[in-house]
Amino acid sequence: NAGVTQTPKFQVLKTGQSMTLQCAQDMNHNSMYWYRQDPGMGLRLIYYSASEGTTDKGEVPNGYNVSRLNKREFSLRLESAAPSQTSVYFCASSLAGESRYTFGSGTRLTVV
Amino acid sequence: GEDVEQSLFLSVREGDSSVINCTYTDSSSTYLYWYKQEPGAGLQLLTYIFSNMDMKQDQRLTVLLNKKDKHLSLRIADTQTGDSAIYFCAESTGQFYFGTGTSLTVIP
Repeated sequence: NAGVTQTPKFQVLKTGQSMTLQCAQDMNHNSMYWYRQDPGMGLRLIYYSASEGTTDKGEVPNGYNVSRLNKREFSLRLESAAPSQTSVYFCASSLAGESRYTFGSGTRLTVV
Repeated sequence: GEDVEQSLFLSVREGDSSVINCTYTDSSSTYLYWYKQEPGAGLQLLTYIFSNMDMKQDQRLTVLLNKKDKHLSLRIADTQTGDSAIYFCAESTGQFYFGTGTSLTVIP
């Protein structure tokens, strides 16, 4: 089915390791987003990309970097993972000017 | 960011109605949304309401919006076990702000 695909689904990292979370959408959406979900805190925006070639910080960008590789793909990188980055990460996409998002199924990341 | 508040837990018996409440702070919100998250899955858009409406009905779902009190609710009629999930309200003022989520448990 068309939609937003995230890889990997699960990952365990040691403190200080780096990794990249991948996200791809096949709906020709312009805008893409990375959120983290923590218990009792809802979803918090890490970074977003309003269109290909642009990226902007969200509410909680520290410790993360992003790359909008092309219109389809938006990756999230942790350069030096910390236990505070243990979370479930969701990628989402939308058409420009539309606020209905399509979400991926999430990446559960544990940093030990 | 904006504050979007929800109670964390709700339990109802199968067949009863569920009411999930949400309060928000930004009166300039253009759309307000309800998303459903089933275990191990991403969020799926359930329904939404434009800010100049006060009610929207969609089969078993009724959304009520009180703009004066900045209060949004989602009523699920004849709640089924398949409705067990986490429900997030969200407001959009160009950027999305999600609530903390309400975990709904339906007791058979």
